[in-house]
This record gives sequence, C-alpha cells and structure tokens, in this order.
Amino acid sequence: GESVGLHLPTLSVQEGDNSIINCAYSNSASDYFIWYKQESGKGPQFIIDIRSNMDKRQGQRVTVLLNKTVKHLSLQIAATQPGDSAVYFCAGPGGGADGLTFGKGTHLIIQP
Amino acid sequence: ETGVTQSPTHLIKTRGQQVTLRCSSQSGHNTVSWYQQALGQGPQFIFQYYREEENGRGNFPPRFSGLQFPNYSSELNVNALELDDSALYLCASREWGGGNTGELFFGEGSRLTVL
Repeated sequence: GESVGLHLPTLSVQEGDNSIINCAYSNSASDYFIWYKQESGKGPQFIIDIRSNMDKRQGQRVTVLLNKTVKHLSLQIAATQPGDSAVYFCAGPGGGADGLTFGKGTHLIIQP
Repeated sequence: ETGVTQSPTHLIKTRGQQVTLRCSSQSGHNTVSWYQQALGQGPQFIFQYYREEENGRGNFPPRFSGLQFPNYSSELNVNALELDDSALYLCASREWGGGNTGELFFGEGSRLTVL
C-alpha cells in the first residue's frame, strides 16, 4: 500500500517568511496527492491537490511541487501569517478503496 | 449550505462497551467516510459508505461497523471497545465521483476516550 510521510515533525518560521513543508511517498503509481491543514480542535481542511501528470500547482499563497523522480512533494506557503499555524498533512491514495493515507503531519509554528 | 456535523463531540467509555458516533454529511454529498486519528498521528481510513452500502474499508477489524441512511447521514459503531480505540473519529463527506476522491470535507470529530 501507499506510505506517505513528512520529513519534519515541527517547523518554526518567522511571520512573513515563506514556509516549505516536505513529504515523501512510496507508491510510484499514486495518481494524486492532497495537502490538508488541521487547526487545533478541528477537522482537516483541504488546501490543494495535485495530479501525477503535473509538476506544480498554485493556489492562493500556496504552491505544491511534485517530483515523481524522487517521489517527493512539497507545500510552499508564501508570506506566512499567524493563521497558518496548524498541523499540515500530505495524503495520497492507498488507505483502502477510495480511502486516503495520511502522513503523521508537520506542526507549523509561526514566530512573531 | 451546512458543513459536516458530528455528535457527540466528546465521550468517555469503559473497555468492553459499545459506542455509536453520528455524522450528518454536507448538503449535496452522497458519500461518507470515517477516519480514526490517534493523538499525534494522521487520520487512518476506516471505511466509506455510498448508497447506504460500505464500498471500501481500511485495515480495521469487523467490530468497527457503520450505517448510511437515505438522507446520507451515517453512524460509526464500535463494539467491544479497547483502550487503543481512544482517538478522534472524523467523518468526511464528498460527492461521489468514481475513482476521483474529489474534495473531502471533514467534520470536527468525536473525541472518544476508553478507560
């Protein structure tokens, strides 16, 4: 099955700087990946997704990059704000049927 | 448009008991899935319901079961509770799109503590 993991459990950045959260996956046949944001006491919230036929996708202040050669994807958040403080998960197929497999998450901490 | 709602938000049970968690899917969504999230971990897929039938399951034992109702709401039932069942149980809904997950909308979860 799919294995999706995060490189760092905690990432601390200064407010206004850019944040980069990394994720590795094991199944080269995975055809999509999703980034979720989970704030304390809340359920995961969809941020952005990317299909395997793409290398890059941009949203509002976020960019996801997919490197299929090394089975790695990243989430870039521009001009990080206090409201970006949360745990970020990458997810991909392989949880069973249409279920998703999530990594353990990276806790993004914003320093004032 | 209402989002995914879950009840109860918190509950405490003892080992061996049974629990039922409830979920109302987002308006217009016909597919509901359940995830278990242990403390400090990512969510793990339990199962998915579409048209009132389970159509996908993760690596969870049969004592985890569910229902989906004609209005697309859902229940998660766990029998013979174990200490390791303590977790946040998340319900997510989406509009069925075949192999495309579409965008999953999560509720805020039911925090279960098993003593």
